[in-house]
Amino acid sequence: SQTIHQWPATLVQPVGSPLSLECTVEGTSNPNLYWYRQAAGRGLQLLFYSVGIGQISSEVPQNLSASRPQDRQFILSSKKLLLSDSGFYLCAWSVGPGQGSSGGTYEQYFGPGTRLTVT
Amino acid sequence: AQSVTQPDIHITVSEGASLELRCNYSYGATPYLFWYVQSPGQGLQLLLKYFSGDTLVQGIKGFEAEFKRSQSSFNLRKPSVHWSDAAEYFCAVGPLAGGTSYGKLTFGQGTILTVHP
Repeated sequence: SQTIHQWPATLVQPVGSPLSLECTVEGTSNPNLYWYRQAAGRGLQLLFYSVGIGQISSEVPQNLSASRPQDRQFILSSKKLLLSDSGFYLCAWSVGPGQGSSGGTYEQYFGPGTRLTVT
Repeated sequence: AQSVTQPDIHITVSEGASLELRCNYSYGATPYLFWYVQSPGQGLQLLLKYFSGDTLVQGIKGFEAEFKRSQSSFNLRKPSVHWSDAAEYFCAVGPLAGGTSYGKLTFGQGTILTVHP
């Protein structure tokens, strides 16, 4: 079965410090990968998505970047954190296009999340 | 552009009472439809999904949802709520198969469910 991991679970960082959040997926290959941010009372905001190694699409201009150095690894980074970067960060995966009988059904499976507090 | 509206920000029910959470969507055709649940401090868990066929779909934890094309709705229901159902619920819509949106989903703003004993 497939599992998705995120770490760290919680993080407290000062303004101006760098950030690296990691997400890994097990039990599947060539997944679509997504980073979301969830601010209090504001629902889910899609930040980045990736359909393959090195292929990153950004949904909103911001202080963050993403990378996919390996098929099942997705990293969210920042060079200098802002107070507004605080929030709950969620990684998700879905079956990539053309992946067997479930290809194209689009349900996403979420990791446990990382709570980031910028002070 | 597709959109999802969850009209109720917060709903309170008594344990054992029935529940209906509303979801309306705006889309050019019949989308893929999903309901997720999120407990505090945790990730989202898929409750159920609709792609085609029978408009009443069953999910986990005793939930069901009904797709009504004429009303562009996909409401979530449960006949008897348990205290453990207290959580936030998100409705989401997805693209048609074969599209170029790479599986992106559009989420509603969520409905917080409080259950009184």
